[in-house]
Amino acid sequence: KNEVEQSPQNLTAQEGEFITINCSYSVGISALHWLQQHPGGGIVSLFMLSSGKKKHGRLIATINIQEKHSSLHITASHPRDSAVYICAVRSTGNQFYFGTGTSLTVIP
Amino acid sequence: DAGVIQSPRHEVTEMGQEVTLRCKPISGHDYLFWYRQTMMRGLELLIYFNNNVPIDDSGMPEDRFSAKMPNASFSTLKIQPSEPRDSAVYFCASSETAHGYTFGSGTRLTVV
Repeated sequence: KNEVEQSPQNLTAQEGEFITINCSYSVGISALHWLQQHPGGGIVSLFMLSSGKKKHGRLIATINIQEKHSSLHITASHPRDSAVYICAVRSTGNQFYFGTGTSLTVIP
Repeated sequence: DAGVIQSPRHEVTEMGQEVTLRCKPISGHDYLFWYRQTMMRGLELLIYFNNNVPIDDSGMPEDRFSAKMPNASFSTLKIQPSEPRDSAVYFCASSETAHGYTFGSGTRLTVV
């Protein structure tokens, strides 16, 4: 069993749709990260969360520590949002675990 | 700041050869991470340093892999001898304690 599970694995949306990607984890954490990897391969850190909610432009990340769950939302999706989104956690024991990623394709 | 700088961007080498990957973290960042990404296994953490000291190397696949951080501005990941199954993209990332990661552009390693 993976310590970090993401869903869905693949997601296709029409431009403008609201998108949600989910991440569940089974360990106690000190921080959770959402990463974005574009087809060119570069990885960008979108958010680091330990509680509550963060917003950056059209992206919103939330975390529920009690339920061990985080969501990444994209409002008014755009084709340039097409990428793989990876959830990663740092456990309270300073171990790092990664989800397998959600591949998002936004169609014009 | 130029961000996290990795070199080389691409490396093709023959099985059995030594490979050295290099990373320059962002100045002032106290954590440095080495990751490997393959289609089969996704993103894996190999090792990370805090203030130049290796903290956790449990992700290093075997003794053929070694990593060093002689100072705050430079780290190397060495594979000796290399094998075809080491072919992957190797990422270096750095961070400040309370902030997110900044990733380098990666080194695409092909071992033939």
